[in-house]
Amino acid sequence: DAGVIQSPRHEVTEMGQEVTLRCKPISGHNSLFWYRQTMMRGLELLIYFNNNVPIDDSGMPEDRFSAKMPNASFSTLKIQPSEPRDSAVYFCASTWGQRNTIYFGEGSWLTVV
Amino acid sequence: KQEVTQIPAALSVPEGENLVLNCSFTDSAIYNLQWFRQDPGKGLTSLLLIQSSQREQTSGRLNASLDKSSGRSTLYIAASQPGDSATYLCAVNQAGTALIFGKGTTLSVSS
Repeated sequence: DAGVIQSPRHEVTEMGQEVTLRCKPISGHNSLFWYRQTMMRGLELLIYFNNNVPIDDSGMPEDRFSAKMPNASFSTLKIQPSEPRDSAVYFCASTWGQRNTIYFGEGSWLTVV
Repeated sequence: KQEVTQIPAALSVPEGENLVLNCSFTDSAIYNLQWFRQDPGKGLTSLLLIQSSQREQTSGRLNASLDKSSGRSTLYIAASQPGDSATYLCAVNQAGTALIFGKGTTLSVSS
């Protein structure tokens, strides 16, 4: 299996622009997670889906952030409008069930200038 | 609310040393605890997963222990090598939420 695939790997955008990050989980996994990592705050959960349904979105910073999972093989995280404080690495991860190993993608490195 | 703490934040050792990384958590009602490795510019790679009913897990030179009642886990690395240099994160898994991570310990092994 190719693992969790994220795109783009790197994105530099101007403040106010819309950013869309994409994730393809491992085939057969039924849970998908979006995390954000910064030096100051470490890894923070933004949202997670189970069987394509959002279960916990309490970590989504504000209305500028939205996430969708239209099917079992694809998810997006959208920021509109983007701000410099959104600069971070955004990780997607997936797993099967509640108690198994979770697999991470390589991350999307976002810089908002 | 579950909180995960890792001490120290950074550690430097000479090659060949055995070392221990620490992880503590505040709520013992967990399904399992996982240790991850993160290299600069990369994602997280799972190293070991310890279920709540287990006391330890081993993989090669790595040994992770879990004391759920005291809210502690350790990752023991034997005979450290420069290739072990990375950030090590622990995370707890519990009902109703996703993995909750510590901030990691950045390890540097010098040759």
